[in-house]
Amino acid sequence: DGGITQSPKYLFRKEGQNVTLSCEQNLNHDAMYWYRQDPGQGLRLIYYSQIVNDFQKGDIAEGYSVSREKKESFPLTVTSAQKNPTAFYLCASSTQLGRETQYFGPGTRLLVL
Amino acid sequence: EDQVTQSPEALRLQEGESSSLNCSYTVSGLRGLFWYRQDPGKGPEFLFTLYSAGEEKEKERLKATLTKKESFLHITAPKPEDSATYLCAVQATTGGYQKVTFGTGTKLQVIP
Repeated sequence: DGGITQSPKYLFRKEGQNVTLSCEQNLNHDAMYWYRQDPGQGLRLIYYSQIVNDFQKGDIAEGYSVSREKKESFPLTVTSAQKNPTAFYLCASSTQLGRETQYFGPGTRLLVL
Repeated sequence: EDQVTQSPEALRLQEGESSSLNCSYTVSGLRGLFWYRQDPGKGPEFLFTLYSAGEEKEKERLKATLTKKESFLHITAPKPEDSATYLCAVQATTGGYQKVTFGTGTKLQVIP
């Protein structure tokens, strides 16, 4: 079955620690995205990538970093510079940037210890 | 700045009681409007994409419509399993990037 997988489902971060969220897709999509979802707010774009080895900052990129070494994978690192990391993180993909629909993974909930 | 407003924030319906959810938007250069369903603790599930005013799409008890300023998600004879948060998103051309802006959602509860 084609789809998007995210792991882990829950992640706990200690003060000053960097943590990495995994996102893998087997839909053969070129574009991938990371969003953050907080209660009462719409999804906010963190980073997006149109092709391998290329990615762009979204609206709230500060404190986050990404890489796109393979078409299927788009991991997100939440660095210690992100002071309010507790949120639900969603990865999405689409065939390409444009009018195409974005499809989402199941999400990772990040909590701070 | 692109804006997407969904109303109501929450809606409680009796099973079988039809209603509509609203998504109004202010964007320049609309490229597409999307509806998603999101269950608690899960990722959004794609429902519909609408591209131009007058377009309609249906899936089971759901029907999405689009005008130049808003979209409606009509729910006919809802069942308890339709309970979820429904998200609306618009894609528009902003500074050369096809940006997607999401609304905050309508939380629907269908009571047996």
